Amino acid sequence: SQQGEEDPQALSIQEGENATMNCSYKTSINNLQWYRQNSGRGLVHLILIRSNEREKHSGRLRVTLDTSKKSSSLLITASRAADTASYFCATVYGGSQGNLIFGKGTKLSVKP
Amino acid sequence: EAGVVQSPRYKIIEKKQPVAFWCNPISGHNTLYWYRQNLGQGPELLIRYENEEAVDDSQLPKDRFSAERLKGVDSTLKIQPAELGDSAVYLCASSTGQYWTEAFFGQGTRLTVV
Repeated sequence: SQQGEEDPQALSIQEGENATMNCSYKTSINNLQWYRQNSGRGLVHLILIRSNEREKHSGRLRVTLDTSKKSSSLLITASRAADTASYFCATVYGGSQGNLIFGKGTKLSVKP
Repeated sequence: EAGVVQSPRYKIIEKKQPVAFWCNPISGHNTLYWYRQNLGQGPELLIRYENEEAVDDSQLPKDRFSAERLKGVDSTLKIQPAELGDSAVYLCASSTGQYWTEAFFGQGTRLTVV
């Protein structure tokens, strides 16, 4: 079963624009992670935010977490064509004792 | 340092045949995951190991799937017999075993059952 649900399923923007993806989850979590997957490749970890954190930055990435709403958002600023990929949120929830559960992903297309 | 290594990268088999996938995690990583990813979907967890122990195999279809992790290092995932619906990418990932850290993924094995 999948814990998280990303929104939107697909997003198409122009280079230089910002991209925002959202993730909702079902049960209480220990942490939430975002991964990127280029077509035909493995997943690459982008950023991790713990349940007691509200916002985190890494380069052009900004992640927020609202545990009261069970939701997170990933913002990519000043997007580049190379950011074209699928983005997944993944949660480690308390009851799983370490299972990393992925959502269905958002497919981002950045047009040059 | 080498990343997570999976083999083979691609496999095409006929239905009802057996197939095996191999994974070599990053050295020192105690936690190993196997995921299945269907086209356009997110990875679905099949099994998680902590060292050599399968601590969660609740999503592994045990009638045809089996996995092992001998000596807590390399792991193999087997399907016997394969069905058409098993066509997917099988991903292996490893982590240090502390659940606040990231997982590192291999390139995956793309299985096509015909």
